[in-house]
Amino acid sequence: SQTIHQWPATLVQPVGSPLSLECTVEGTSNPNLYWYRQAAGRGLQLLFYSVGIGQISSEVPQNLSASRPQDRQFILSSKKLLLSDSGFYLCAWRPVPAEKLFFGSGTQLSVL
Amino acid sequence: DQQVKQNSPSLSVQEGRISILNCDYTNSMFDYFLWYKKYPAEGPTFLISISSIKDKNEDGRFTVFLNKSAKHLSLHIVPSQPGDSAVYFCAASELPDDMRFGAGTRLTVKP
Repeated sequence: SQTIHQWPATLVQPVGSPLSLECTVEGTSNPNLYWYRQAAGRGLQLLFYSVGIGQISSEVPQNLSASRPQDRQFILSSKKLLLSDSGFYLCAWRPVPAEKLFFGSGTQLSVL
Repeated sequence: DQQVKQNSPSLSVQEGRISILNCDYTNSMFDYFLWYKKYPAEGPTFLISISSIKDKNEDGRFTVFLNKSAKHLSLHIVPSQPGDSAVYFCAASELPDDMRFGAGTRLTVKP
């Protein structure tokens, strides 16, 4: 069966520090991969999605970047965090072809 | 550019009654619609979906209705139970790649 792993669950970082969140999917190949963010009191904002290794689509110009170095690995990064980067970050995957997204357990990021 | 909108941030209903959650979208190219349920500090979980070629899909207590001409969908929960209390997200997809979510509606079912 397929599983998605996302870590860490909680992260507290100072402003200006770098960020690296990692997500891996097991039990499938060539999935579509996604990063979403839920800011306090807001909905799920699509940040990046990837349909293959090295292929990244960015939805919102911002302080973040994403990379897909391997088929089932998706990384969210920042060189210098801002206060506004605080939020609940969710990785998700989608088998192709299929309609549903499956989410990881999320990372609560607090930038202080 | 918010292509999927949930205009009601919260909804409170009595146990046993019907809960109706609404969602509007702007992109006529969306061909698949989904509802997700989310508890605090957890990832959303899939609840029910509907293809654009249908106008209704039912799964137990949950029914999703799609009105393509109005670009509107709704989720009905009958009867509502306290365990249904969560945030519900509407999502729309233009297959095969992206998926857009609304802002969510917090449902509270009172015993």
